[in-house]
Amino acid sequence: QKEVEQDPGPLSVPEGAIVSLNCTYSNSAFQYFMWYRQYSRKGPELLMYTYSSGNKEDGRFTAQVDKSSKYISLFIRDSQPSDSATYLCARWGSNDYKLSFGAGTTVTVRA
Amino acid sequence: KAGVTQTPRYLIKTRGQQVTLSCSPISGHRSVSWYQQTPGQGLQFLFEYFSETQRNKGNFPGRFSGRQFSNSRSEMNVSTLELGDSALYLCASSLLQGDNEQYFGPGTRLTVT
Repeated sequence: QKEVEQDPGPLSVPEGAIVSLNCTYSNSAFQYFMWYRQYSRKGPELLMYTYSSGNKEDGRFTAQVDKSSKYISLFIRDSQPSDSATYLCARWGSNDYKLSFGAGTTVTVRA
Repeated sequence: KAGVTQTPRYLIKTRGQQVTLSCSPISGHRSVSWYQQTPGQGLQFLFEYFSETQRNKGNFPGRFSGRQFSNSRSEMNVSTLELGDSALYLCASSLLQGDNEQYFGPGTRLTVT
């Protein structure tokens, strides 16, 4: 079983819509959950990260963790065409000290 | 502050050859991790170097190796290339060993023919 499972999509939304991205995880060790954005032909860019049970908001982006269901989510409000990219969730665990990535979800925001 | 740089950006090699990729971390960052990204397997951790020593490794064969220099720059080597080694190789730098906050470079696109 993979450490992090992510629906690869693709996801297409109109400009201004809320984008909702989800991943599930299996490990219960102390861990951080990261969200990266990757544009075509570029390296992943760290957007934000949360602790095992924390939520975080940064501008139009909100990351949430639901420990009971082992679900992590990223919401993008007022989406823009420039948000079109692949979004990767990742887990960093205190048991192995390395990042394990989901498959990535490709998002297209239509103008 | 300059980001992570990787050279070369693109590389074409023939099966059986070997290749060396280079990564310069963000100034002040002492840890470098390497990842392989393919459409089928996604982003997978190769290994991490800190203070010139490999500190952590993923599940890749011994053909994949690396090293780190005293200035924190790192190189990754793949010997006896196989077609399946075609991928985007990414390095990420972080301040400390085993750090969750990692910043990626643009990657080296390796094509093995």
